[in-house]
Amino acid sequence: QAVLTQPSSLSASPGASASLTCTLRSGLSVGTYRIYWFQQKPGSPPQYLLGYRSDSDTQQGSGVPSRFSGSKDASANAGILLISGLQSEDEADYYCMIWRNSVSTYVFGAGTKVTVL
Amino acid sequence: EVQLVESGGGLVQPGGSLRLSCVGSGFTFSDYEMNWVRQAPGKGLEWVASISRSGSTIYYADSVKGRFTISRDDAKNSLFLQMNSLRADDTAVYYCAKYYFDFWGQGTPVTVSS
Repeated sequence: QAVLTQPSSLSASPGASASLTCTLRSGLSVGTYRIYWFQQKPGSPPQYLLGYRSDSDTQQGSGVPSRFSGSKDASANAGILLISGLQSEDEADYYCMIWRNSVSTYVFGAGTKVTVL
Repeated sequence: EVQLVESGGGLVQPGGSLRLSCVGSGFTFSDYEMNWVRQAPGKGLEWVASISRSGSTIYYADSVKGRFTISRDDAKNSLFLQMNSLRADDTAVYYCAKYYFDFWGQGTPVTVSS
């Protein structure tokens, strides 16, 4: 079972909201991690969006619009990236990441491809 | 403006070696942990290695442990990745990234093939 599981794709309409999930493997509690989110467009390096631990502890990337926000769903053991007011420029791959202190490694999810229809 | 510029990638035969470099500017390089991340063609991101500000703490992904060495030269604002015993599955674009991956370079491609 992968450490972080992301849906492979998501489609939404312009102006809608998109909720991207990053589910932690059983045995890892989302409450104890800061979930990092990155956006990557074709042919470009990843761009840091934000790192979310709680509503009072969020590291928003420089220049990243506030319509990109983070949250957690403890019942689903998942981190969430919410994109509000979807725009065509938001079409990209989105990756989540955590730092696993117990094994001293960073782990990326496999990514979600977002299509704005 | 923060900038990270990687270099040193190229074509190498299996079993060969390469040394990647990353030069940082626009920030106090010595104040920050630095990282290497790679991305195989058409695949997702894979963390490779991290080095602390002082260079005293280093972490590696299991897939590269014992073959790759991360280092830094703060006097030259530079990060390095020495890659030995290269394999076909090391083929990827290699990115350097600052601190908590808040800034990334454009990447340098590495191809391992005979």
